[in-house]
Amino acid sequence: SAVISQKPSRDICQRGTSLTIQCQVDSQVTMMFWYRQQPGQSLTLIATANQGSEATYESGFVIDKFPISRPNLTFSTLTVSNLSPEDSSIYLCSIPNRGLAGGSSYNEQFFGPGTRLTVL
Amino acid sequence: GEDVEQSLFLSVREGDSSVINCTYTDSSSTYLYWYKQEPGAGLQLLTYIFSNMDMKQDQRLTVLLNKKDKHLSLRIADTQTGDSAIYFCAERSGNTGKLIFGQGTTLQVKP
Repeated sequence: SAVISQKPSRDICQRGTSLTIQCQVDSQVTMMFWYRQQPGQSLTLIATANQGSEATYESGFVIDKFPISRPNLTFSTLTVSNLSPEDSSIYLCSIPNRGLAGGSSYNEQFFGPGTRLTVL
Repeated sequence: GEDVEQSLFLSVREGDSSVINCTYTDSSSTYLYWYKQEPGAGLQLLTYIFSNMDMKQDQRLTVLLNKKDKHLSLRIADTQTGDSAIYFCAERSGNTGKLIFGQGTTLQVKP
């Protein structure tokens, strides 16, 4: 399986500031994904980060609030802007992977360790 | 729209089997996944099943898929205290990376 690392692992931020989260993968991947897990909740996809093009955002998420960069095939950043306590969540990056079952489809989906953000 | 439902809590005794159930609504799902999340940790991919299969076994884990009823289950044989965690099922449509997750089932294993 791929190795995915995220920085920072956790942070406490003040209201109105921004936090940039980094995701590094040990292999080249075309698509990277950013998910949010609010306290006690399930995971929700924020956006798909494609190298060389703008990110594609899911309903309810906008670029001004969650700008994403994807400078190369192994790295992406997610910024959470103008923080409010409601942004307190775990943010996870995710990549698809071709599993041992074979075929051309990306049948596995791995997640990074997550960044735990607390906004005061 | 797409929806995935799970029961929220399951308690079993060490050594027993655990069965965690999940239902989904998207009939075009291609893959269905089970993830494990331990406290303070990320998501660990446990297993997954392609939608044209009805069963997959991997050591202590057995996944059953009833596509007609859109029902997925994860059976953990000989459950251990280290299996205590939250288990998420998720479904994926097509070849995108968008997974729709259930709310998670907290598995409590009593010694």
